[in-house]
Amino acid sequence: KQEVTQIPAALSVPEGENLVLNCSFTDSAIYNLQWFRQDPGKGLTSLLLIQSSQREQTSGRLNASLDKSSGRSTLYIAASQPGDSATYLCAAQGWNYGQNFVFGPGTRLSVLP
Amino acid sequence: GAVVSQHPSRVICKSGTSVKIECRSLDFQATTMFWYRQFPKQSLMLMATSNEGSKATYEQGVEKDKFLINHASLTLSTLTVTSAHPEDSSFYICSAASAGGYNSPLHFGNGTRLTVT
Repeated sequence: KQEVTQIPAALSVPEGENLVLNCSFTDSAIYNLQWFRQDPGKGLTSLLLIQSSQREQTSGRLNASLDKSSGRSTLYIAASQPGDSATYLCAAQGWNYGQNFVFGPGTRLSVLP
Repeated sequence: GAVVSQHPSRVICKSGTSVKIECRSLDFQATTMFWYRQFPKQSLMLMATSNEGSKATYEQGVEKDKFLINHASLTLSTLTVTSAHPEDSSFYICSAASAGGYNSPLHFGNGTRLTVT
């Protein structure tokens, strides 16, 4: 059974800092690893999707990497801004459980002005 | 891009009543839809998987008689919370996939905040 964990559970940083969010998964037979953003009381906003054949994806100030062999993904946020404050979820889609996503518990990020 | 519309976004109901949540794929045919539940400060947990025209598959611990799922068409799935109780208060999110198999991305609705008083 796939299990996804995220470290840290919460993070508070001053504006402008670069930061790294970590995601680990137990079943390396994945075909997609996706990072989402969730604002309080809201739905999910897709940030980056990394297919199993890829090692990283970039969008603006965000960069996500994937290392299937070690069961890890990281989300790098450059020059953080108060608007980046949200919960960041990683989720894995794997060959052993259909098209469903297995989500991590999330990292709650606060960027202080 | 593909859009999944979920309605209502918020609902407050009295204990003992039933609530229906709709999930619609607006510009693609969704052969599979997933329903998730999220408790405060916790992650999304899969409740059930529904395939158009067949019975939903429920995850362990999810009461199928309480959470009725209907996927009667390729663009609509509904989740009905029957005889709702305060402990059913939660955030429910649906996602939909087209018929392209594992290469098809999942698209998420914006969620429904259910409060049972």
